[in-house]
Amino acid sequence: EVQLVESGGGLVQPGGSLRLSCVASGFTFGSYDMHWVRQVTGKGLEWVSAIGITGDTYYPGSVKGRFTISRENAKNSLYLQMNSLRAGDTAVYYCARAHTSLPGAIDCWGQGTLVTVSS
Amino acid sequence: EIVLTQSPATLSLSPGERATLSCRANQSVSIYLVWYQQKPGQAPRLLIYDASNRATGIPARFSGSGSGTDFTLTISSLEPEDFAVYYCQQRSKWPYTFGQGTKLEI
Repeated sequence: EVQLVESGGGLVQPGGSLRLSCVASGFTFGSYDMHWVRQVTGKGLEWVSAIGITGDTYYPGSVKGRFTISRENAKNSLYLQMNSLRAGDTAVYYCARAHTSLPGAIDCWGQGTLVTVSS
Repeated sequence: EIVLTQSPATLSLSPGERATLSCRANQSVSIYLVWYQQKPGQAPRLLIYDASNRATGIPARFSGSGSGTDFTLTISSLEPEDFAVYYCQQRSKWPYTFGQGTKLEI
């Protein structure tokens, strides 16, 4: 069974840092582009970052310079280092797998981990 | 950044009826438009990719159409489990972006 399990969410003060992790199972992790997507509770979805199979990374302007996505294929793991956190970063963060032949189409999602940025 | 606008924000229908959801882009995304379904407390589920292709396991009552800037998701005959929020997403150009969602309610 294909599975993505996130961890590392929690409460952090503005300006603080947090590192999210995602462990994948049931598929060849190193053969897939991986993504982080976030969702403010009750609101829409926003792409946070992406990493290709060769390690190339992509960020939208809202998090560029503050967030870093990385992967460790030997551990079937995806990470998101989040620095200089702001109240607007409060959301559920999903680890997501892109379809193998459709870059940017997400065919598998984790259950999400909640990040709350508040003093 | 490509902006996707979905309409209507909320669609109230009954089981058995036909649902038509719209997604409009502020610039062409070719056919690279994806649809997801999200139920409360769950992650999104891939429904349609590249405008008109059903993902694995998606029932035939779901269909997509369009190209360029205007796209439509149609559910031919609503089942009770179809009441959810639907998002469109473009994968034409980074950063990938989502529409704000259409809530399909009874």
